[in-house]
Amino acid sequence: GAGVSQSPRYKVTKRGQDVALRCDPISGHVSLYWYRQALGQGPEFLTYFNYEAQQDKSGLPNDRFSAERPEGSISTLTIQRTEQRDSAMYRCASSGRLAGVLETQYFGPGTRLLVL
Amino acid sequence: AQSVTQLDSQVPVFEEAPVELRCNYSSSVSVYLFWYVQYPNQGLQLLLKYLSGSTLVKGINGFEAEFNKSQTSFHLRKPSVHISDTAEYFCAVTLNYGGSQGNLIFGKGTKLSVKP
Repeated sequence: GAGVSQSPRYKVTKRGQDVALRCDPISGHVSLYWYRQALGQGPEFLTYFNYEAQQDKSGLPNDRFSAERPEGSISTLTIQRTEQRDSAMYRCASSGRLAGVLETQYFGPGTRLLVL
Repeated sequence: AQSVTQLDSQVPVFEEAPVELRCNYSSSVSVYLFWYVQYPNQGLQLLLKYLSGSTLVKGINGFEAEFNKSQTSFHLRKPSVHISDTAEYFCAVTLNYGGSQGNLIFGKGTKLSVKP
């Protein structure tokens, strides 16, 4: 496709379950970012990759959150033992070359996660 | 630390009226500035960005913004809005230095509601 895609678009899960959120970036884009957006807030940075290498995971809130991008394309954000406070919109963005401020980040539609 | 403040959470306006969405930032280092728009059920889309040069930046859909370094502001303006401009608007910054990874710091967003 032409843009960034994310799946699923909506995910409802029970507290304690693991979830995996997928991001498919624009073809050929090197950098991939994950953000989380709570209701009424702006997106907050979680982590980012250049190719398959995770460059910065300082935004991940705790060790229940992890992300991978094994082949430098599709990325998965995994949340283990979900808690109600994990409920949010999870957004993925990709940009063309190595992470740098001159590169526009293109965002996907997001995955809305609800933990019951 | 860097932060972005969007002073208005909601802005109602009548069609064809002018609008200004306010954004102020705080940073100890130089930053680049962005405005993103989110239409219902869509991802974030870049409206415009300020990197350097002229402080008046023009973006898509007739929007423009002016960077004011002394006031640390980057307000978004449109002289005449349309119903289709109804959306949520996010101001964002990223650090302007060689080692910057480009991750965006967002404000909480302003919901623009254009009424007929």
